[in-house]
Amino acid sequence: DTAVSQTPKYLVTQMGNDKSIKCEQNLGHDTMYWYKQDSKKFLKIMFSYNNKELIINETVPNRFSPKSPDKAHLNLHINSLELGDSAVYFCASSNRDWKNIQYFGAGTRLSVL
Amino acid sequence: LAKTTQPISMDSYEGQEVNITCSHNNIATNDYITWYQQFPSQGPRFIIQGYKTKVTNEVASLFIPADRKSSTLSLPRVSLSDTAVYYCLVVPLAGTASKLTFGTGTRLQVTL
Repeated sequence: DTAVSQTPKYLVTQMGNDKSIKCEQNLGHDTMYWYKQDSKKFLKIMFSYNNKELIINETVPNRFSPKSPDKAHLNLHINSLELGDSAVYFCASSNRDWKNIQYFGAGTRLSVL
Repeated sequence: LAKTTQPISMDSYEGQEVNITCSHNNIATNDYITWYQQFPSQGPRFIIQGYKTKVTNEVASLFIPADRKSSTLSLPRVSLSDTAVYYCLVVPLAGTASKLTFGTGTRLQVTL
């Protein structure tokens, strides 16, 4: 069974559209994350979320928003997509908080045309 | 937040020991060091973590000198399947998750 799963694996869309990426973890972890990996493989955290707090990297545009329907899911919504949003987005989870080992999904490659 | 510096790439032959060094000169007292491995089209996967001296598990060893300003990931007898990007990460016990950055990693290429 896949511990952290993301859908879709690939997402191609036009500038200006709104899209979502889904993430689910079956590890029973408390905290989930979204990361962005650019073309140079630089991996940067975007959000950290548990039922107590949402931590946002201040460099993330407010067009990006995480939505958590329950503890096992953290979806990423992106409004008004821009060319610069093209990247691979990874979902991850960890027990307790961000200082613990993180388990990553396989990634979603987003291409904005 | 401690910034990390790693070689961009390394090459090795199968069966050799590979050592990847990460520099983290401004590591804080309570920070610890974590290494992740990333295969193409996959997310990073935890390898090993340590605070000081030496840590060993079934996959790798991690050497951290007394000043903790650097760390070395050692992969014994690499195989072709060890070809991946290796990320060094300094995890601070203080601060917030918003500062967590993996950097660009070291791309290890193993050949026959």
